[in-house]
Amino acid sequence: KAGVTQTPRYLIKTRGQQVTLSCSPISGHRSVSWYQQTPGQGLQFLFEYFSETQRNKGNFPGRFSGRQFSNSRSEMNVSTLELGDSALYLCASKEEVTGNTEAFFGQGTRLTVV
Amino acid sequence: AQSVTQPDIHITVSEGASLELRCNYSYGATPYLFWYVQSPGQGLQLLLKYFSGDTLVQGIKGFEAEFKRSQSSFNLRKPSVHWSDAAEYFCAVGARGYSTLTFGKGTMLLVSP
Repeated sequence: KAGVTQTPRYLIKTRGQQVTLSCSPISGHRSVSWYQQTPGQGLQFLFEYFSETQRNKGNFPGRFSGRQFSNSRSEMNVSTLELGDSALYLCASKEEVTGNTEAFFGQGTRLTVV
Repeated sequence: AQSVTQPDIHITVSEGASLELRCNYSYGATPYLFWYVQSPGQGLQLLLKYFSGDTLVQGIKGFEAEFKRSQSSFNLRKPSVHWSDAAEYFCAVGARGYSTLTFGKGTMLLVSP
């Protein structure tokens, strides 16, 4: 089985722009979560989608949004980029949000805001 | 609220020596516990997990971890470290049926020749 695929791997954007990141989960996995990783704050949960519905949301401003499609692929969008949004954005997929399942992570998208 | 503490930011171990990385968690019920490893510029790879049952769990790459409820700990161990184990290690906790994981700040493992 292919793993979690995130595209693109690297992005450089200018302050004020917007960006869309993509995540394709492992085949058959219906839950997709997004995390932001920075040296200062570590790994922080952004949001989780299951069957095209947002199930949970972390403590991030409304500039951060996401969605999930019927094939479980997910996108996250960040509008009006700020320098502090520079981070590694990680996507994780799980088979389903019930019981004994583990999250598998992608390689991440490295976003640099200049 | 759940939280995870990894008290050691950096650890240096000689190749061939044993390793123990500490993890303490705070959670009101029985947690789901995980250890992940991250190489520079890469994503997270799951080393092992604890959901229930035997408190000593085996993972990939020769790692093991022991869940100690009385100490709220889930320490990661390896009997003999290889240079390729140099990476950052993250402990994480989730609730049953979790939709979010709470991670520790990570421990950077350096392996000396």
